[in-house]
Amino acid sequence: GQQVMQIPQYQHVQEGEDFTTYCNSSTTLSNIQWYKQRPGGHPVFLIQLVKSGEVKKQKRLTFQFGEAKKNSSLHITATQTTDVGTYFCALVTGGGNKLTFGTGTQLKVEL
Amino acid sequence: EPEVTQTPSHQVTQMGQEVILRCVPISNHLYFYWYRQILGQKVEFLVSFYNNEISEKSEIFDDQFSVERPDGSNFTLKIRSTKLEDSAMYFCAAVPGTGGYEQYFGPGTRLTVT
Repeated sequence: GQQVMQIPQYQHVQEGEDFTTYCNSSTTLSNIQWYKQRPGGHPVFLIQLVKSGEVKKQKRLTFQFGEAKKNSSLHITATQTTDVGTYFCALVTGGGNKLTFGTGTQLKVEL
Repeated sequence: EPEVTQTPSHQVTQMGQEVILRCVPISNHLYFYWYRQILGQKVEFLVSFYNNEISEKSEIFDDQFSVERPDGSNFTLKIRSTKLEDSAMYFCAAVPGTGGYEQYFGPGTRLTVT
């Protein structure tokens, strides 16, 4: 089945710095979703990208889908301590629309 | 956010015992899923359920696992004979029947097999 790799695995930033996580696939993706999981919490849906080259923004978060639909990124501008958590990309596949999660990027924000 | 609840929040069981994990989706949810997350690892798909039938299952979901929606409300995951490697956080997720595509996850059940 399709797999996605995420980099980096961990990222420590100072509050106010920017953060980016990347999701890469060797095959063309029909869509990609992003989820955030706070420490000890459950995945929470952030966004879905479908179109080639699509860019969507949610306040300080910017999501991009590559032109070739083989990669995606999540960029956070001026991180805050509330951004702490693990960010996962996920593919929606199969007749049952299951999610295949990436390996995740754990973000820690220091004051 | 449509709320999905799960019980219990933490289950400790001995190897070989049966456990039943419960999920209560919102009434208009149509698609249901179970995922698991071993500590520090990514979330893994187990099974999807639609119209009272399994629509897809992963290779993890072997004969030791089963799912039911016995009363049209609760959605259960049963593990017949637990193994140490079944220790993980188990998440239920659901997709509303209103045409959305995002999955709403429950808070999870932490299963510890000793």
